[in-house]
Amino acid sequence: GAVVSQHPSRVICKSGTSVKIECRSLDFQATTMFWYRQFPKQSLMLMATSNEGSKATYEQGVEKDKFLINHASLTLSTLTVTSAHPEDSSFYICSALSDYSYGYTFGSGTRLTVV
Amino acid sequence: AQSVTQLDSHVSVSEGTPVLLRCNYSSSYSPSLFWYVQHPNKGLQLLLKYTSAATLVKGINGFEAEFKKSETSFHLTKPSAHMSDAAEYFCARMDTGRRALTFGSGTRLQVQP
Repeated sequence: GAVVSQHPSRVICKSGTSVKIECRSLDFQATTMFWYRQFPKQSLMLMATSNEGSKATYEQGVEKDKFLINHASLTLSTLTVTSAHPEDSSFYICSALSDYSYGYTFGSGTRLTVV
Repeated sequence: AQSVTQLDSHVSVSEGTPVLLRCNYSSSYSPSLFWYVQHPNKGLQLLLKYTSAATLVKGINGFEAEFKKSETSFHLTKPSAHMSDAAEYFCARMDTGRRALTFGSGTRLQVQP
């Protein structure tokens, strides 16, 4: 079946530094990638939608200059949290959508802790 | 706005007893609906999905859900709970415009021995 590899699974960084999270579709082409954020004991909230080769579309309230999304190829999308602060600590999950029959495939998530 | 509402934040059952996790959706038409399960610090695993075919949808691990348009509901059920079913469950719907999924607030299922 379709698999999305998300790395790293866990990262701790210092406040003010940047962190890059990668999501790679291993055996299919992801025409659209969705990035979600999940705070403890809460639901998944959509941050942005990216289509290959296009600029990402951010949800209201999500700072596009802070959360940089790149979807340069059909198999790789990245989320970079710039100048991270403790309030950015969260669980980030990507979800890839293929134009074919694979539906939504989720990565395993990244636990970001900013200290 | 298109939304899903999970009526219970926490459900506790005994092993071997039935499971019912409730989900209602808001819409004026038949949406695409999903149930996902999430184990701690893990991604989401699809249990089942409804896409306007049969109203009773069978999923993995013995789960099933029934789409009831008259009640705008898509409740998840399982005849007999297993300890390994303990997890967080999310109901979701597809936003036809953005094609993104909108998730409910989640239901934590606890299974007692």
